[in-house]
Amino acid sequence: EIVMTQSPATLSVSPGERATLSCRASQSVSSNLAWYQQKPGQAPRLLIYGASTRATGIPARFSGSGSGTEFTLTISSLQSEDFAVYYCQQYNNWPMYSFGQGTKLEIK
Amino acid sequence: QVQLQESGPGLVKPSQTLSLTCTVSGGSISSGSYYWSWIRQPAGKGLEWIGRIYTSGSTNYNPSLKSRVTISVDTSKNQFSLKLSSVTAADTAVYYCAREGYYMDVWGKGTTVTVSS
Repeated sequence: EIVMTQSPATLSVSPGERATLSCRASQSVSSNLAWYQQKPGQAPRLLIYGASTRATGIPARFSGSGSGTEFTLTISSLQSEDFAVYYCQQYNNWPMYSFGQGTKLEIK
Repeated sequence: QVQLQESGPGLVKPSQTLSLTCTVSGGSISSGSYYWSWIRQPAGKGLEWIGRIYTSGSTNYNPSLKSRVTISVDTSKNQFSLKLSSVTAADTAVYYCAREGYYMDVWGKGTTVTVSS
């Protein structure tokens, strides 16, 4: 089983600033990594797939990078609607998936 | 565009079987090379993938749940379904259905299932 570890658990950032979220895999997942955003009471929303490709309709302030075991989601200038929980998910080990435990991005 | 909607009982007794259905609208469940997945999320916790089905009927399940899970598809109704047997309080969660092409690009809104007597 591939274990995905996200850090930090909670990140406090002011609106307009940059946020950097990390995701680490216990073994290489190549670029087979996705990021999701989840707001309270809502389903997750796909942000990034293939480690760096934005999903349809996702603003350019969201960017993903990394490969192998280390990945980063960067939000360049935080808007009020960006405060949420973010999950990474590996699909390199298909048909088995695993998600990270999430990073809560909160307003500082 | 494609939309998904979960339906089913919100309350299930311990040891019974949880049954949920996901209805696909705005497109055919049989079109494209997509799988159809179930994911759950206990309150305040992270996401757990339960399993998936292809329209051919082939399935994959999370090994931790495999002995209790059955996912089926009804292409004539544009639906797929989840059955989870012998439920306990630990199965209390929001259950989501999702369209999957390795990553989940379309999600239902989720339905809360509580296991309690």
